[in-house]
Amino acid sequence: QKEVEQNSGPLSVPEGAIASLNCTYSDRGSQSFFWYRQYSGKSPELIMFIYSNGDKEDGRFTAQLNKASQYVSLLIRDSQPSDSATYLCAVPASRGNNRLAFGKGNQVVVIP
Amino acid sequence: EAGVAQSPRYKIIEKRQSVAFWCNPISGHATLYWYQQILGQGPKLLIQFQNNGVVDDSQLPKDRFSAERLKGVDSTLKIQPAKLEDSAVYLCASSFDLSSGYTFGSGTRLTVV
Repeated sequence: QKEVEQNSGPLSVPEGAIASLNCTYSDRGSQSFFWYRQYSGKSPELIMFIYSNGDKEDGRFTAQLNKASQYVSLLIRDSQPSDSATYLCAVPASRGNNRLAFGKGNQVVVIP
Repeated sequence: EAGVAQSPRYKIIEKRQSVAFWCNPISGHATLYWYQQILGQGPKLLIQFQNNGVVDDSQLPKDRFSAERLKGVDSTLKIQPAKLEDSAVYLCASSFDLSSGYTFGSGTRLTVV
């Protein structure tokens, strides 16, 4: 079983709509979760970090964590063409090693 | 705060040739990582350094890849000899502690022909 999985295909959303991305993880003991945005041809950049159960909001981005079901979501409200990118979910790969395991990413395309 | 510096940005080599990548992390970041990202996939860890010691190199193809981090600052990743399947983006990242995530460099896009 992969440490973190992002299984949905490219997501097309009209401008102004909500984009919703999901990520599941295998280690029930995982404590922190990260969302990175990666524009085509660029390196990943950290956009959200969530530690506790529930929601965390930062501008138009909301991360939702459900530890019981072992998934973390990212919502992008009022989607803009500049949000068109690949979104990578990452979790600590193992305790004490201070490193992240990444999902394969979900591509989001915002249609003007 | 200066970011993570990597060079070169692009490299094209023939198979069986050698290549080296350089990374300078953010000042004060003790942990440095090298990731390989193949097109359409997420980054895969190759090697992790804590200061100048190796923490994890379990996924590094040691028959052809090597890495070092002299004096706990700059790092180099080398491939010798390169194979076609090594074509990827090689990302260097550094962190102070995991609670704040990583900062990635701009990456090196390697094409092996």
